[in-house]
Amino acid sequence: DAGITQSPRHKVTETGTPVTLRCHQTENHRYMYWYRQDPGHGLRLIHYSYGVKDTDKGEVSDGYSVSRSKTEDFLLTLESATSSQTSVYFCAISAEAGGRSNQPQHFGDGTRLSIL
Amino acid sequence: SQKIEQNSEALNIQEGKTATLTCNYTNYSPAYLQWYRQDPGRGPVFLLLIRENEKEKRKERLKVTFDTTLKQSLFHITASQPADSATYLCALAEGYQKVTFGTGTKLQVIP
Repeated sequence: DAGITQSPRHKVTETGTPVTLRCHQTENHRYMYWYRQDPGHGLRLIHYSYGVKDTDKGEVSDGYSVSRSKTEDFLLTLESATSSQTSVYFCAISAEAGGRSNQPQHFGDGTRLSIL
Repeated sequence: SQKIEQNSEALNIQEGKTATLTCNYTNYSPAYLQWYRQDPGRGPVFLLLIRENEKEKRKERLKVTFDTTLKQSLFHITASQPADSATYLCALAEGYQKVTFGTGTKLQVIP
């Protein structure tokens, strides 16, 4: 299995509080991704990173920010959590980008976040 | 708008039979298509990738077909086993950095 660790695995917090989720990889892969997974919507890309300090938005980026100060760590922050951000969050890594590359993504086991 | 469709209803089949899952898409010109397996409480796990110029790909009991004219991929599991029970996701890669996942089909293999 690819070395991807997400922390925490579960979190319950209140509306309006800041939340930071961490993704740590030991594969030295260039690309890292944050997804959320909700019933009926599948996996939706929030943000991704193509290198240290290089990040870009995905399709559902509003209300989220990310940072990548080291190759191995990719942080997802909810500045002021809302109930609509209750979801399961997955981090993924890949050796190359999607598109014309043929490298798959490898996923962590997710963080289940509940915002009350 | 771009859309990926997988059967939202669960697929129940008898052990030993071939399971066939469908992935249809519209408004895409994908460079390649991937299939993943997801177990409850776990992240998706990559299974197979097929490129736009390939018709079929096999890996052990798994077979994927890709018809860019029909805009459809079929995912087959032969001699299915209860351990194959999971949710299967298809994912399309079109442009640079753009991989989109379907919502998945839940497969239940009945002993």
